[in-house]
Amino acid sequence: GENVEQHPSTLSVQEGDSAVIKCTYSDSASNYFPWYKQELGKRPQLIIDIRSNVGEKKDQRIAVTLNKTAKHFSLHITETQPEDSAVYFCAAMYSSASKIIFGSGTRLSIRP
Amino acid sequence: SAVISQKPSRDICQRGTSLTIQCQVDSQVTMMFWYRQQPGQSLTLIATANQGSEATYESGFVIDKFPISRPNLTFSTLTVSNMSPEDSSIYLCSVRLAGEVETQYFGPGTRLLVL
Repeated sequence: GENVEQHPSTLSVQEGDSAVIKCTYSDSASNYFPWYKQELGKRPQLIIDIRSNVGEKKDQRIAVTLNKTAKHFSLHITETQPEDSAVYFCAAMYSSASKIIFGSGTRLSIRP
Repeated sequence: SAVISQKPSRDICQRGTSLTIQCQVDSQVTMMFWYRQQPGQSLTLIATANQGSEATYESGFVIDKFPISRPNLTFSTLTVSNMSPEDSSIYLCSVRLAGEVETQYFGPGTRLLVL
C-alpha cells in the first residue's frame, strides 16, 4: 500500500552540527519527494523538494538525496541553528493517484 | 506562491453538531486537498476536492462524515458532521497552483476542539 516511513521520530543535535532525517517509500513509481518544516502552531512550509530524475539537490544549508533503487531519500541540514528547531515531514507523491502522502515526522531540537 | 485563507481559524464545538470550514485561494488552482492533523501527529489526507463533482475520499473517510464542496477553482469547503471529541484536530486545506505541477502549499489550518 501507500506508505512513507520516517526516522528518527526525535532528533537533538548541538548547534553547528549536522542533522540527517531518513525516509523510505513503497511505490516504485513515485517521482516527487518534498520536505516540509512545521514550526509550533504554524502551517507546514515546503523547504526543498526533489524529483526522481535527480539524485541530489542542495539549497544553502539544506540538501536532499534520493536513492530510487533502494527507495530511500534523506534530508541533510548542515551548520544547524536554533531556528532549525521544528517538526520536519518527508513526503512522496504516488503518481497513480497524484496524491502526496506524508511521513510520520521528526521533531528536531537544536541544543545551544 | 499564493495566499491561502481558511475560516474559521479555530472553533470550539459541542458533540453532535457540524462545522463547515472554508478555504479560499487568490491564485489559479489545479488541485485542492483537505488534510487532518491530530495533536502531535502527521498530516493525513482526507480527500481530494474535485471542482464540480464529488470529492475523492481516502480510506477511512466517508462523504457522510466529511462532505466536501468545490463550486469553483479557488474555493472549497469541508464539513465535519455529527462531531465527537475524536474529531478534535487541525484541518488543513492544501493546493497545487496552475503552472506548478507538483508543489503543494498549505493553508493556515482550522483548529477544532469538540467537547
